[in-house]
Amino acid sequence: DTEVTQTPKHLVMGMTNKKSLKCEQHMGHRAMYWYKQKAKKPPELMFVYSYEKLSINESVPSRFSPECPNSSLLNLHLHALQPEDSALYLCASSPRSSEQETQYFGPGTRLLVL
Amino acid sequence: AQKVTQAQTEISVVEKEDVTLDCVYETRDTTYYLFWYKQPPSGELVFLIRRNSFDEQNEISGRYSWNFQKSTSSFNFTITASQVVDSAVYFCALSEASNYGGSQGNLIFGKGTKLSVKP
Repeated sequence: DTEVTQTPKHLVMGMTNKKSLKCEQHMGHRAMYWYKQKAKKPPELMFVYSYEKLSINESVPSRFSPECPNSSLLNLHLHALQPEDSALYLCASSPRSSEQETQYFGPGTRLLVL
Repeated sequence: AQKVTQAQTEISVVEKEDVTLDCVYETRDTTYYLFWYKQPPSGELVFLIRRNSFDEQNEISGRYSWNFQKSTSSFNFTITASQVVDSAVYFCALSEASNYGGSQGNLIFGKGTKLSVKP
């Protein structure tokens, strides 16, 4: 089973709203990732959690706040977003294994900021 | 610096045609990992293959085959007898090796090739 789930599938929010994106995996993976993908562009890495600790933050604005409550769950808290933050947000996980290190992606959350 | 180039922005073929998607990469590392992902219109990135830099064997999986050539820094993907369901954006990606031997967290993606297969 290589399933990563994400909720919600679609989200519309105003610039003053606070919302959260949720990502879950039950494959025993120890690394989880957030990516942002604009239309007709490749995914761009935002954050990496390795063994529940933030290991990479690609200079993402503070209006995006990641959280990893446990090894299966990854959240992305959103606050005071801008219309240019509208995008597909993808979550991924990987085992952190030298032999099987592959990132598996969820279906994404399509975010529209008005 | 690492870089992945997918020179073909869009390709359109008729069903049952064979099609090759090109991928050229740049890296200074001797150990690295190459990937292909498929992204259908629904948005999910579907993992297709991973290749380690020390394994130059070509691979075939059904109608899909991959040609890895370190001498030309290429990792091309061929779909034989294409079908409408193959229509998607295909991304080639590169990752460095980490200290523990696996790949690093950051996948370097190419810009993607949009494949349209017409009936």
